[in-house]
Amino acid sequence: EAGVVQSPRYKIIEKKQPVAFWCNPISGHNTLYWYLQNLGQGPELLIRYENEEAVDDSQLPKDRFSAERLKGVDSTLKIQPAELGDSAVYLCASSPLRDYNEQFFGPGTRLTVL
Amino acid sequence: SQQGEEDPQALSIQEGENATMNCSYKTSINNLQWYRQNSGRGLVHLILIRSNEREKHSGRLRVTLDTSKKSSSLLITASRAADTASYFCATSGRGYNKLIFGAGTRLAVHP
Repeated sequence: EAGVVQSPRYKIIEKKQPVAFWCNPISGHNTLYWYLQNLGQGPELLIRYENEEAVDDSQLPKDRFSAERLKGVDSTLKIQPAELGDSAVYLCASSPLRDYNEQFFGPGTRLTVL
Repeated sequence: SQQGEEDPQALSIQEGENATMNCSYKTSINNLQWYRQNSGRGLVHLILIRSNEREKHSGRLRVTLDTSKKSSSLLITASRAADTASYFCATSGRGYNKLIFGAGTRLAVHP
């Protein structure tokens, strides 16, 4: 079974530029998460989807961050415009059901904003 | 904000030794999970312990939970160089499975 796929793996951009990250969850997983992981820290939830509905986006900085999960499968996380402080690893995770305990993580996208 | 705090922040041991990592949290939980993250990779689920459990084993891993002290420990016995990674505890409250991660313990196992 294929795991969670993320692309790109690495991205370097200049500040004020837009950037987008893509995630393909494990087949059949209805719940999808985006996390932000700063260097030396644990992941912090940005947004959670149940199918195509964003059910928890309370930690998403909506002035510059947006996300979508069309058709309840793949998801895209966008930052526009990027700031220096956005440099971090962006992780995508999925799980079969909303109350399924284990989450399956992708390898992440490492973003560097210059 | 992060709920869990791991201790120590970093741990360096020799192959064959045991490694113990501790996690403390602040609010009531439904379960506590431990994840491993190798350099440059995503997190991998290791083990889950529910709030009504006190100890759980999985291979060379042993997890304990003390809800009265709001703390958990992860023991890796007979460590191997391949165990070198960062280890995170993550708590889940009642309701839905929102995981709140600690800052992690960086374990280095030297051959």
